[in-house]
Amino acid sequence: NAGVTQTPKFQVLKTGQSMTLQCAQDMNHNSMYWYRQDPGMGLRLIYYSASEGTTDKGEVPNGYNVSRLNKREFSLRLESAAPSQTSVYFCASSEVASRVTYEQYFGPGTRLTVT
Amino acid sequence: AQSVTQLDSQVPVFEEAPVELRCNYSSSVSVYLFWYVQYPNQGLQLLLKYLSGSTLVKGINGFEAEFNKSQTSFHLRKPSVHISDTAEYFCAVRNTGFQKLVFGTGTRLLVSP
Repeated sequence: NAGVTQTPKFQVLKTGQSMTLQCAQDMNHNSMYWYRQDPGMGLRLIYYSASEGTTDKGEVPNGYNVSRLNKREFSLRLESAAPSQTSVYFCASSEVASRVTYEQYFGPGTRLTVT
Repeated sequence: AQSVTQLDSQVPVFEEAPVELRCNYSSSVSVYLFWYVQYPNQGLQLLLKYLSGSTLVKGINGFEAEFNKSQTSFHLRKPSVHISDTAEYFCAVRNTGFQKLVFGTGTRLLVSP
């Protein structure tokens, strides 16, 4: 049981290049999330997927796109990377059942540098 | 919109001393509250959570937190810290009925011998 996995762990891009960050969870969770973490700003939600087939914008969606490929996988795409997208990216998943909410489980992160 | 304030960006403390990390949230509607810990170069790990019931919540590694509805606070405490507690701690809040978490900016706990 690996939990939430992310690839790659590290990436360096040049301005204007594109890339896709991959995330997968093996906990059969319905909901998945992408965050970015910047010094002094905590975690900010980029996009989330409440369930398979749905995606919604979070707090900072500009410059990103997402795909909920299936229940397990949720990818984040940078079409044209900018230095402002240098950050640590975290994927998370959670289950919401009835009126009870469960915590989010986080992956190990992807450290992205855009030069 | 819900917001979370962690007033202390950094808290230095000596080993075996007690510590309190402060967290206040903005909305007084029903909320769920969480504390996460992030060790260097790792993802976030849940320390404890408040969903309902007793306002004093115990978590892993000897941490506890108290939910205070009137003061909209959820402060994290540990009576005696260890060097291994050096990490960044994040408070997070979500309104009941919504799936999105709102995180504070984090507090870096630095434990020295």
